[in-house]
Amino acid sequence: LAKTTQPISMDSYEGQEVNITCSHNNIATNDYITWYQQFPSQGPRFIIQGYKTKVTNEVASLFIPADRKSSTLSLPRVSLSDTAVYYCLVVPAKYSGGGADGLTFGKGTHLIIQP
Amino acid sequence: NAGVMQNPRHLVRRRGQEARLRCSPMKGHSHVYWYRQLPEEGLKFMVYLQKENIIDESGMPKERFSAEFPKEGPSILRIQQVVRGDSAAYFCASSPTARRTDTQYFGPGTRLTVL
Repeated sequence: LAKTTQPISMDSYEGQEVNITCSHNNIATNDYITWYQQFPSQGPRFIIQGYKTKVTNEVASLFIPADRKSSTLSLPRVSLSDTAVYYCLVVPAKYSGGGADGLTFGKGTHLIIQP
Repeated sequence: NAGVMQNPRHLVRRRGQEARLRCSPMKGHSHVYWYRQLPEEGLKFMVYLQKENIIDESGMPKERFSAEFPKEGPSILRIQQVVRGDSAAYFCASSPTARRTDTQYFGPGTRLTVL
């Protein structure tokens, strides 16, 4: 499974756009890029998933260049409540049952939003 | 629609005792994953179960740990003869199918403290 690398921490201010970049140089052809968010003392929560180009939902946008070796999670106009850990994951498009079936989480990016 | 439920939320055990952690998946979900999270670390996959079957336990320690997901009732993660190193947050997640790209919905976790 492709290893991911993302910054350990980032700071920003309320109302700013925040971009968190993740590198996954060894991503395979059938892998998807998925981001989860985790608040203290809670389980992770799915944010967004994409395969290529751009995906947007009500929470965030995900930009994936043509070579797919990196991706950028974009959070528009952040607020204090966006302070959390953000995990970038590479997930194969196959069915569980082939071993190593769980999601592979790294240490994530600890995003701190200040007033 | 209730989300993934875990209980207890906090569990304190003395060394050598048994810990039982319960997880009720989202309604309609028959795929359950257990993860363990140590302080300041990402989540580590432990085991993947479907109703009445353990599909992948590659991330679970070979001794003292077991999991089940009976036909009726919640999934149970059981830790026998707990040691201090078992202190962690244990999360379960559920998904509607076996597709790896399905969103996994996480519960709030059980925080186990071993004295």
